[in-house]
Amino acid sequence: QVLLQESGPGLVKPSETLSLTCSVSGGSISTFYWSWIRQSPGKGLEWLGYIYYTGSTNYNPSLKSRVSMSVDTSKDQFSLELSSVTAADTAVYYCARGTWFGEFDFWGQGTLVTVSS
Amino acid sequence: DVVLTQSPLSLPVTLGQPASISCRSSQTLVYNDGNTYLNWFQQRPGQSPRRLIYKVSKRDSGVPDRFSGSGSGTDFTLKISRVEAEDVGVYYCMQGTHWPLSFGQGTRLEIK
Repeated sequence: QVLLQESGPGLVKPSETLSLTCSVSGGSISTFYWSWIRQSPGKGLEWLGYIYYTGSTNYNPSLKSRVSMSVDTSKDQFSLELSSVTAADTAVYYCARGTWFGEFDFWGQGTLVTVSS
Repeated sequence: DVVLTQSPLSLPVTLGQPASISCRSSQTLVYNDGNTYLNWFQQRPGQSPRRLIYKVSKRDSGVPDRFSGSGSGTDFTLKISRVEAEDVGVYYCMQGTHWPLSFGQGTRLEIK
Protein backbone atom coordinates (compact mmCIF):
# COMPACT_ATOMS: atom_id res chain seq x y z
CA GLN A 1 0.00 0.00 0.00
CA VAL A 2 1.45 3.32 -1.06
CA LEU A 3 1.29 6.03 1.60
CA LEU A 4 1.86 9.74 1.09
CA GLN A 5 2.37 12.23 3.90
CA GLU A 6 2.54 15.99 3.55
CA SER A 7 4.61 18.08 5.95
CA GLY A 8 5.42 21.75 6.37
CA PRO A 9 4.37 24.95 8.13
CA GLY A 10 0.66 25.45 8.70
CA LEU A 11 0.97 29.24 8.76
CA VAL A 12 2.71 31.43 6.18
CA LYS A 13 2.84 35.23 6.08
CA PRO A 14 1.62 37.12 3.02
CA SER A 15 4.30 37.69 0.35
CA GLU A 16 6.42 34.84 1.73
CA THR A 17 7.03 31.39 0.25
CA LEU A 18 4.95 28.34 1.09
CA SER A 19 7.06 25.17 1.27
CA LEU A 20 5.71 21.65 1.62
CA THR A 21 7.23 18.17 1.36
CA CYS A 22 5.52 14.89 0.54
CA SER A 23 7.08 11.67 1.80
CA VAL A 24 6.27 8.50 -0.10
CA SER A 25 6.39 5.04 1.43
CA GLY A 26 5.33 1.59 0.31
CA GLY A 27 6.48 2.16 -3.23
CA SER A 28 9.28 3.72 -5.22
CA ILE A 29 9.13 7.35 -6.23
CA SER A 30 11.11 6.43 -9.32
CA THR A 31 7.99 5.79 -11.38
CA PHE A 32 4.72 7.66 -11.80
CA TYR A 33 4.08 11.38 -11.75
CA TRP A 34 3.81 13.15 -8.41
CA SER A 35 1.33 15.97 -8.09
CA TRP A 36 0.27 18.76 -5.78
CA ILE A 37 -3.45 19.56 -5.60
CA ARG A 38 -5.12 22.10 -3.35
CA GLN A 39 -8.60 22.70 -2.05
CA SER A 40 -9.56 26.14 -0.81
CA PRO A 41 -11.97 26.24 2.14
CA GLY A 42 -15.41 25.20 0.99
CA LYS A 43 -14.28 25.03 -2.63
CA GLY A 44 -13.25 22.48 -5.19
CA LEU A 45 -9.98 20.94 -6.27
CA GLU A 46 -7.19 22.68 -8.18
CA TRP A 47 -4.25 20.83 -9.74
CA LEU A 48 -1.02 22.79 -9.19
CA GLY A 49 1.37 20.66 -11.20
CA TYR A 50 3.43 17.51 -11.17
CA ILE A 51 7.01 16.29 -11.19
CA TYR A 52 8.50 13.10 -12.59
CA TYR A 53 11.36 11.34 -10.78
CA THR A 54 13.77 12.66 -13.40
CA GLY A 55 12.92 16.19 -12.30
CA SER A 56 10.78 16.99 -15.32
CA THR A 57 7.86 19.24 -14.33
CA ASN A 58 4.57 20.55 -15.62
CA TYR A 59 2.84 23.41 -13.80
CA ASN A 60 -0.63 24.89 -13.96
CA PRO A 61 -0.29 28.19 -15.86
CA SER A 62 -2.77 29.78 -13.43
CA LEU A 63 0.06 29.97 -10.92
CA LYS A 64 2.31 31.63 -13.47
CA SER A 65 5.89 31.68 -12.25
CA ARG A 66 5.11 31.34 -8.52
CA VAL A 67 5.29 27.54 -8.35
CA SER A 68 8.31 25.28 -8.23
CA MET A 69 8.59 21.55 -7.55
CA SER A 70 11.56 19.33 -6.82
CA VAL A 71 12.20 15.66 -6.11
CA ASP A 72 14.69 13.80 -3.92
CA THR A 73 14.72 10.17 -5.01
CA SER A 74 17.21 9.21 -2.29
CA LYS A 75 14.63 10.13 0.33
CA ASP A 76 11.49 9.22 -1.67
CA GLN A 77 10.27 12.78 -1.24
CA PHE A 78 9.05 15.56 -3.48
CA SER A 79 8.43 19.19 -2.62
CA LEU A 80 6.37 22.24 -3.48
CA GLU A 81 7.32 25.90 -3.24
CA LEU A 82 4.76 28.63 -3.89
CA SER A 83 6.12 32.15 -3.73
CA SER A 84 4.50 35.52 -3.03
CA VAL A 85 1.51 33.96 -1.29
CA THR A 86 -1.68 35.82 -0.50
CA ALA A 87 -4.80 34.93 1.44
CA ALA A 88 -6.13 33.33 -1.74
CA ASP A 89 -3.50 30.61 -1.35
CA THR A 90 -5.01 29.46 1.93
CA ALA A 91 -6.06 25.87 1.30
CA VAL A 92 -5.63 22.23 2.14
CA TYR A 93 -2.71 21.02 0.07
CA TYR A 94 -2.63 17.39 -1.06
CA CYS A 95 0.14 15.41 -2.66
CA ALA A 96 -0.91 12.58 -4.94
CA ARG A 97 0.48 9.83 -7.16
CA GLY A 98 -0.66 9.68 -10.74
CA THR A 99 0.20 9.34 -14.38
CA TRP A 100 0.93 11.80 -17.20
CA PHE A 101 -2.88 12.01 -17.50
CA GLY A 102 -3.55 12.61 -13.82
CA GLU A 103 -5.46 9.48 -12.76
CA PHE A 104 -4.51 10.12 -9.14
CA ASP A 105 -4.74 6.78 -7.38
CA PHE A 106 -3.10 7.55 -4.03
CA TRP A 107 -3.46 10.75 -2.03
CA GLY A 108 -1.96 12.14 1.13
CA GLN A 109 -4.20 13.12 4.02
CA GLY A 110 -3.74 16.79 3.17
CA THR A 111 -2.30 19.66 5.18
CA LEU A 112 -3.98 22.99 5.85
CA VAL A 113 -1.86 26.02 5.06
CA THR A 114 -3.16 29.38 6.18
CA VAL A 115 -1.75 32.60 4.79
CA SER A 116 -2.02 35.30 7.41
CA SER A 117 0.10 37.89 9.15
CA ASP B 1 -8.50 25.53 -20.46
CA VAL B 2 -11.02 22.71 -20.29
CA VAL B 3 -14.03 23.45 -18.12
CA LEU B 4 -15.92 20.54 -16.57
CA THR B 5 -19.50 21.33 -15.57
CA GLN B 6 -21.20 18.96 -13.17
CA SER B 7 -24.92 18.68 -12.49
CA PRO B 8 -26.63 18.67 -10.19
CA LEU B 9 -24.48 20.44 -7.63
CA SER B 10 -26.59 19.04 -4.82
CA LEU B 11 -28.13 15.59 -4.90
CA PRO B 12 -30.47 14.45 -2.11
CA VAL B 13 -31.16 10.73 -2.46
CA THR B 14 -33.22 8.23 -0.51
CA LEU B 15 -31.29 5.21 0.76
CA GLY B 16 -31.53 2.32 -1.70
CA GLN B 17 -32.47 4.57 -4.60
CA PRO B 18 -30.29 5.25 -7.65
CA ALA B 19 -28.29 8.42 -8.22
CA SER B 20 -26.76 9.94 -11.31
CA ILE B 21 -24.23 12.75 -11.76
CA SER B 22 -23.47 14.41 -15.08
CA CYS B 23 -20.13 15.87 -16.15
CA ARG B 24 -19.90 17.87 -19.35
CA SER B 25 -16.62 19.04 -20.84
CA SER B 26 -16.01 22.18 -22.87
CA GLN B 27 -13.80 20.12 -25.23
CA THR B 28 -13.68 16.51 -26.29
CA LEU B 29 -11.70 14.39 -23.86
CA VAL B 30 -10.56 11.86 -26.46
CA TYR B 31 -6.76 11.86 -26.57
CA ASN B 32 -4.56 11.18 -29.58
CA ASP B 33 -3.98 7.62 -28.37
CA GLY B 34 -7.72 6.88 -28.53
CA ASN B 35 -8.21 6.85 -24.76
CA THR B 36 -10.50 9.19 -22.87
CA TYR B 37 -8.95 10.37 -19.62
CA LEU B 38 -12.00 11.09 -17.51
CA ASN B 39 -11.93 10.12 -13.83
CA TRP B 40 -14.40 10.23 -10.97
CA PHE B 41 -13.39 10.88 -7.35
CA GLN B 42 -15.33 10.59 -4.11
CA GLN B 43 -14.50 12.81 -1.15
CA ARG B 44 -16.19 11.73 2.06
CA PRO B 45 -16.51 14.30 4.86
CA GLY B 46 -13.13 15.00 6.41
CA GLN B 47 -11.26 12.70 4.03
CA SER B 48 -8.98 12.99 1.03
CA PRO B 49 -10.43 12.34 -2.40
CA ARG B 50 -10.51 8.72 -3.51
CA ARG B 51 -10.50 7.62 -7.12
CA LEU B 52 -13.53 5.53 -8.08
CA ILE B 53 -13.37 5.42 -11.87
CA TYR B 54 -10.67 6.08 -14.47
CA LYS B 55 -10.75 6.13 -18.26
CA VAL B 56 -14.51 6.80 -18.16
CA SER B 57 -15.65 3.39 -16.96
CA LYS B 58 -12.82 1.41 -15.34
CA ARG B 59 -13.65 0.85 -11.69
CA ASP B 60 -10.84 0.90 -9.15
CA SER B 61 -10.06 -2.10 -7.00
CA GLY B 62 -12.25 -2.16 -3.91
CA VAL B 63 -14.91 0.14 -5.35
CA PRO B 64 -18.37 -1.42 -5.01
CA ASP B 65 -19.96 -2.50 -8.29
CA ARG B 66 -22.94 -0.25 -7.59
CA PHE B 67 -20.72 2.54 -8.96
CA SER B 68 -20.44 2.77 -12.73
CA GLY B 69 -19.12 5.30 -15.21
CA SER B 70 -20.16 5.89 -18.79
CA GLY B 71 -20.02 8.44 -21.57
CA SER B 72 -17.92 9.60 -24.47
CA GLY B 73 -16.55 12.73 -26.08
CA THR B 74 -17.81 15.56 -23.90
CA ASP B 75 -20.64 13.96 -21.88
CA PHE B 76 -20.05 11.62 -18.98
CA THR B 77 -22.09 10.13 -16.15
CA LEU B 78 -21.42 8.52 -12.79
CA LYS B 79 -24.22 6.28 -11.59
CA ILE B 80 -24.83 4.69 -8.23
CA SER B 81 -27.35 1.89 -8.57
CA ARG B 82 -28.47 1.87 -4.94
CA VAL B 83 -27.25 4.60 -2.62
CA GLU B 84 -25.90 3.57 0.77
CA ALA B 85 -25.15 5.75 3.79
CA GLU B 86 -21.39 5.49 3.20
CA ASP B 87 -21.82 7.17 -0.21
CA VAL B 88 -22.42 10.57 1.38
CA GLY B 89 -19.83 13.09 0.23
CA VAL B 90 -18.77 15.18 -2.73
CA TYR B 91 -18.12 13.66 -6.15
CA TYR B 92 -15.75 15.22 -8.66
CA CYS B 93 -15.05 14.46 -12.27
CA MET B 94 -11.55 15.21 -13.48
CA GLN B 95 -9.99 15.29 -16.94
CA GLY B 96 -6.42 14.39 -17.83
CA THR B 97 -6.57 14.74 -21.59
CA HIS B 98 -5.71 18.43 -21.79
CA TRP B 99 -3.29 20.56 -19.79
CA PRO B 100 -3.85 21.97 -17.29
CA LEU B 101 -5.56 19.02 -15.67
CA SER B 102 -8.90 20.13 -14.27
CA PHE B 103 -11.72 19.09 -11.96
CA GLY B 104 -15.44 19.69 -12.03
CA GLN B 105 -16.90 21.85 -9.28
CA GLY B 106 -18.24 18.87 -7.36
CA THR B 107 -21.64 17.35 -6.60
CA ARG B 108 -22.68 16.97 -2.99
CA LEU B 109 -24.63 13.76 -2.36
CA GLU B 110 -26.74 13.65 0.78
CA ILE B 111 -29.30 11.28 2.19
CA LYS B 112 -32.89 12.54 2.25
